[in-house]
Amino acid sequence: ETGVTQSPTHLIKTRGQQVTLRCSSQSGHNTVSWYQQALGQGPQFIFQYYREEENGRGNFPPRFSGLQFPNYSSELNVNALELDDSALYLCASSDSATRPYEQYFGPGTRLTVT
Amino acid sequence: AQKITQTQPGMFVQEKEAVTLDCTYDTSDQSYGLFWYKQPSSGEMIFLIYQGSYDEQNATEGRYSLNFQKARKSANLVISASQLGDSAMYFCAMSPDMYSGGGADGLTFGKGTHLIIQP
Repeated sequence: ETGVTQSPTHLIKTRGQQVTLRCSSQSGHNTVSWYQQALGQGPQFIFQYYREEENGRGNFPPRFSGLQFPNYSSELNVNALELDDSALYLCASSDSATRPYEQYFGPGTRLTVT
Repeated sequence: AQKITQTQPGMFVQEKEAVTLDCTYDTSDQSYGLFWYKQPSSGEMIFLIYQGSYDEQNATEGRYSLNFQKARKSANLVISASQLGDSAMYFCAMSPDMYSGGGADGLTFGKGTHLIIQP
């Protein structure tokens, strides 16, 4: 059973640019959630996708958007980057049918906006 | 709205001692889930233990146990016989639904406790 993988590991972008982060869910998991973790803070929920549809969203503006593909891999897109977007971005997958409360997190992508 | 409070920013503990990490929560929901995650320096969040609000017995997973006191709204993590590899950030989190890992509202996390195990 493969775990959750994320790419890239690190990324440096300039304010105003756009970025795409990728997540490959654990095999068989149909739900993926994205979190933003600023330095010294706990993760904050961005949104969740279930079977390719956005299922819920936290308090993040529309410039944060996502996609989930038929193979349950996922993307997080952030437009018009701001300095405060610098953070560790984590994705987590789960199987809604068996143990839905157990989320498997990836190692994260560390985004730095300059 | 849900809120998690972790009042210990950092803890130093001797190897092989038991550790208790504090977590209090606030919610108006009757059904909710409580979680503990470990985050080593590599960054990934590792699921440790889960407690549903209607579970009458405290959850246990190996060396981890969750001391659930519903009336006090506390969900402390107890690690027995600590090891050097336990050094990491520990996060308490909750979901608004006992049967999901956050569902459409996601998990609400605390700010974490940095645990350092000393030899």
